[in-house]
Amino acid sequence: GDSVTQMEGPVTLSEEAFLTINCTYTATGYPSLFWYVQYPGEGLQLLLKATKADDKGSNKGFEATYRKETTSFHLEKGSVQVSDSAVYFCALRDSRGNEKLTFGTGTRLTIIP
Amino acid sequence: KAGVTQTPRYLIKTRGQQVTLSCSPISGHRSVSWYQQTPGQGLQFLFEYFSETQRNKGNFPGRFSGRQFSNSRSEMNVSTLELGDSALYLCASRLAGVGSYEQYFGPGTRLTVT
Repeated sequence: GDSVTQMEGPVTLSEEAFLTINCTYTATGYPSLFWYVQYPGEGLQLLLKATKADDKGSNKGFEATYRKETTSFHLEKGSVQVSDSAVYFCALRDSRGNEKLTFGTGTRLTIIP
Repeated sequence: KAGVTQTPRYLIKTRGQQVTLSCSPISGHRSVSWYQQTPGQGLQFLFEYFSETQRNKGNFPGRFSGRQFSNSRSEMNVSTLELGDSALYLCASRLAGVGSYEQYFGPGTRLTVT
């Protein structure tokens, strides 16, 4: 079945550091890929998405590129802020018309001033 | 436009009881999905409803059920609660239609079973 593997956390960085959170997936066909963010006590917010190979999703300084050849969708940000502290989830939606999202285990990010 | 709303936000129940959670999707969204989030199992898909019909179901026992009303509002029910049902239950809505992949999540209902 489909699966998403995320970089183990927690991740602690200093403000203005470069961020990478790795995400790889297993799925048949061409799934759509997403990054969601969860702030304490809240639900999930869609951060960015990519629906086909080589697409780059971007939002709020975060970027991720859909790499079919390496089945990856790594999240990056050039300069993190304290307000970026949250849990980040990588997810996929399969290409068979099934609206179910399959999530990774989440990566807790803490940014230190 | 108002986001997805879920009620109640917090709930404490006793083992063996049943519970009903409610979700109101974003106006105009016709698809509603439910997810369970626990520290051990992470985020797991429960079911999806579209136009009052269940379209997909995850690997949960029959104690977990749901329904959707004509105004797209959805409820999920858990009968004979077990301690392991303690979780954050998240509802997500989607516009539905070609190219509408994004699911928008509500804040969740935190269920504690004692």
